[in-house]
Amino acid sequence: GDSVTQMEGPVTLSEEAFLTINCTYTATGYPSLFWYVQYPGEGLQLLLKATKADDKGSNKGFEATYRKETTSFHLEKGSVQVSDSAVYFCALGNQFYFGTGTSLTVIP
Amino acid sequence: GAVVSQHPSRVICKSGTSVKIECRSLDFQATTMFWYRQFPKKSLMLMATSNEGSKATYEQGVEKDKFLINHASLTLSTLTVTSAHPEDSSFYICSAVQGAPDNSPLHFGNGTRLTVT
Repeated sequence: GDSVTQMEGPVTLSEEAFLTINCTYTATGYPSLFWYVQYPGEGLQLLLKATKADDKGSNKGFEATYRKETTSFHLEKGSVQVSDSAVYFCALGNQFYFGTGTSLTVIP
Repeated sequence: GAVVSQHPSRVICKSGTSVKIECRSLDFQATTMFWYRQFPKKSLMLMATSNEGSKATYEQGVEKDKFLINHASLTLSTLTVTSAHPEDSSFYICSAVQGAPDNSPLHFGNGTRLTVT
């Protein structure tokens, strides 16, 4: 069946470091792909999405490209900030299953 | 933007009692609502999917008689944990989607921390 495999954390980076959180998927058809973020003490919220192959979703300096050939949707940011510390979840649009989440801590 | 309100945010109850959690979409009609349980290592487990006016679809391993879900209107879904036990203590999160579920983002409530003593 369809599934999402997400890079396990936790991830600790220094401020201004480059971030990659890997996400690969298995799906029938071509579902939309999402990244959600959960900041400390808050509910989950949509970070970005891509609805078809080669689409790039972007928001708040984060980007992810829907790669059909590698079935991936890796999350990247060129320069992380302390305020990016949160848990990040990759998700398939046609199912509402989430990965284990990747906890990111950015230290000054 | 779309807002989902979940209430209560925290509840403590005694073993054997029932607890009801409400999930409301405040400014949109939610065609589908979802209930999740979030575990200490942050993973989210989908418990059930509910559509207004029909019975909820439960994920494998989730007890229907223990976790009662009612989706009475397009803006309200409730989760009732019946005869709660300490192992039911967890963080429960609802989400709602407006429009076609496969392409529309989920809007989440802030969750309910349930503690069963």
